[in-house]
Amino acid sequence: NAGVTQTPKFRVLKTGQSMTLLCAQDMNHEYMYWYRQDPGMGLRLIHYSVGEGTTAKGEVPDGYNVSRLKKQNFLLGLESAAPSQTSVYFCASSYSPGLAGGTIQYFGAGTRLSVL
Amino acid sequence: AQKITQTQPGMFVQEKEAVTLDCTYDTSDPSYGLFWYKQPSSGEMIFLIYQGSYDQQNATEGRYSLNFQKARKSANLVISASQLGDSAMYFCAMREISSGSARQLTFGSGTQLTVLP
Repeated sequence: NAGVTQTPKFRVLKTGQSMTLLCAQDMNHEYMYWYRQDPGMGLRLIHYSVGEGTTAKGEVPDGYNVSRLKKQNFLLGLESAAPSQTSVYFCASSYSPGLAGGTIQYFGAGTRLSVL
Repeated sequence: AQKITQTQPGMFVQEKEAVTLDCTYDTSDPSYGLFWYKQPSSGEMIFLIYQGSYDQQNATEGRYSLNFQKARKSANLVISASQLGDSAMYFCAMREISSGSARQLTFGSGTQLTVLP
């Protein structure tokens, strides 16, 4: 079972360069998320999507864009990378069940990005 | 204000002993869910256990149990019979239901657990 797959796993960028991180899930989940993880901090939500063709801002959206053209894919773009975007990026997906709060998010393995 | 607080940056436990990782939360939403995730050195986030705010009993999953004290707003993770493979970072997270927040999770800063042989 693939679950949530992120590509690439590692990337080094120069300031001002652009790149796209790809997240793919094969669990038919409606909801998808992009988080970043910085040292000494928990994960913070960048953007999320509640279904194909929809996206919304999370806690730290500045400098990032996202697209959800297909249900199984969620793309995170950096148009002009900055050193402050050096981080580990995690994608997650979840169902939208009726249980109160019981929506387990399944995570990818992460993408380690360094911006020089 | 911090919604999820984990006050133990690092913890040590002897192999085969039990350990409790603390988590307190802050919400005015009457309906919420609490989660624990494990992040080993390889980096992936692994779901461990879930507790709903209306659940009457504490959640258990194998060697993991969640000590849920609603009045104190605490959701401590208890790992029994620690194993070397339990060495990892552990994150507590919460989802508030009534706020309509699309099921996004708010994470604490984590506790690094080291199991000693």
